[in-house]
Amino acid sequence: NAGVTQTPKFRVLKTGQSMTLLCAQDMNHEYMYWYRQDPGMGLRLIHYSVGEGTTAKGEVPDGYNVSRLKKQNFLLGLESAAPSQTSVYFCASSSGHFYEQYFGPGTRLTVT
Amino acid sequence: KQEVTQIPAALSVPEGENLVLNCSFTDSAIYNLQWFRQDPGKGLTSLLLIQSSQREQTSGRLNASLDKSSGRSTLYIAASQPGDSATYLCAVKMVAGNTPLVFGKGTRLSVIA
Repeated sequence: NAGVTQTPKFRVLKTGQSMTLLCAQDMNHEYMYWYRQDPGMGLRLIHYSVGEGTTAKGEVPDGYNVSRLKKQNFLLGLESAAPSQTSVYFCASSSGHFYEQYFGPGTRLTVT
Repeated sequence: KQEVTQIPAALSVPEGENLVLNCSFTDSAIYNLQWFRQDPGKGLTSLLLIQSSQREQTSGRLNASLDKSSGRSTLYIAASQPGDSATYLCAVKMVAGNTPLVFGKGTRLSVIA
């Protein structure tokens, strides 16, 4: 039981490049989340999903897209990376809205 | 809008000391409150989750309390150890709708041997 895993762990992009971050969970959770963590800002929710095929915007959704084609996977896409998207990205999952969230190890993204 | 504040931002204590970390929130309409630990360069590990109807939760040397009416929670760590050094985050889940967890910015704890 791996819990929540994220791929890749590190990535460096140039401005304008695109990439996809993959989150996978093996706990059969319905809810999945993408956060970003920045110094002095804390964790902020980007997008979330309440089940396969659904997505919703969080606090800071601009510049990101997401997809939940399979229950166990939640993808975060950056179509045209900007330096402001340099951050550490965390994925989390839970069995319901009011239940405990379990976090992945994070992806450190640098956009130059 | 819910705001979560953690004071102090950083704390350094000698090994063996008992300590308290503070978390305050502006809107008392919460469903639960969760305390997390984050080690440098790592993800978040859930420590304790307190439902709004509860007053406290305990796990080993950790005890978390909740006073919803005053908008406060504390995390008590007994007999601190160097291995407790990490950043501790609190987060609240609101009652209303599909609102996300609202996080504080954390307290960075250093336990000195």
